[in-house]
Amino acid sequence: EAQVTQNPRYLITVTGKKLTVTCSQNMNHEYMSWYRQDPGLGLRQIYYSMNVEVTDKGDVPEGYKVSRKEKRNFPLILESPSPNQTSLYFCASSPYRGGLYGYTFGSGTRLTVV
Amino acid sequence: SQQGEEDPQALSIQEGENATMNCSYKTSINNLQWYRQNSGRGLVHLILIRSNEREKHSGRLRVTLDTSKKSSSLLITASRAADTASYFCATALVGGSRLTFGEGTQLTVNP
Repeated sequence: EAQVTQNPRYLITVTGKKLTVTCSQNMNHEYMSWYRQDPGLGLRQIYYSMNVEVTDKGDVPEGYKVSRKEKRNFPLILESPSPNQTSLYFCASSPYRGGLYGYTFGSGTRLTVV
Repeated sequence: SQQGEEDPQALSIQEGENATMNCSYKTSINNLQWYRQNSGRGLVHLILIRSNEREKHSGRLRVTLDTSKKSSSLLITASRAADTASYFCATALVGGSRLTFGEGTQLTVNP
C-alpha cells in the first residue's frame, strides 16, 4: 500500500530533551515536507526537501532540523524542544516539485512538550 | 496571512443536503487543491484543479475555479454523516515550490 509512515503517533517529552520524529514513504517520491498544525493557525510548513540532500526552510523552521540522506526518509529533529513546539505534526510527500501534484500525508504525530 | 482562506469557518447541514465551501487566494496560482481531514488524522487529497481549468468533478465532489476572482468552491452533493470533517484548500503558486494551506472549513453533517 502506498503510504507515508510517521512515528511515533503520540509523544510526550520534557523541555530540552532531543527527539526525532521519523517519516518514511514507499512511493519513490522526490518531494517531502513537514507541517505543523495548530488551532487557529492552520497548517504551516516547517521544512521541505526537493530531493536527496536538498532541503530548505519553510515558514516556521526555528527550533527544527531535518535531513534527507535517502529518498524515502525525512526525519524531523527537535534538538532542544520547548513548550511552544507542542503541536500536531504531519509529514507529506509528492512525486515531484511541491505543489504540482497532490500530497500524500502521514497520520500525524501529536507532540506534547512539558 | 495564508494564501488561501476558506469560508465559512464552520458549516452544519442535514444529511442529504449539499455543502458548499469557498476558498479565496491572493496571487496567481499553478493549481488549487482540496483536502479533507477527519478529526486529528492526516489530510487526504480530494481533487486538484489547474489554473487553466474551470470545473472538475470527482464522484459527489464538484470544484470550480475562477482565476479572475481568485476564488474556488467545493460542492459536496447529497452529503452523508461520513462527510463530517475539516476541508482545506491549498494553493501552488506559479513557479513555486510548495503548497500553502488555508485554515479550513469544519463541516458537520447531521444524521
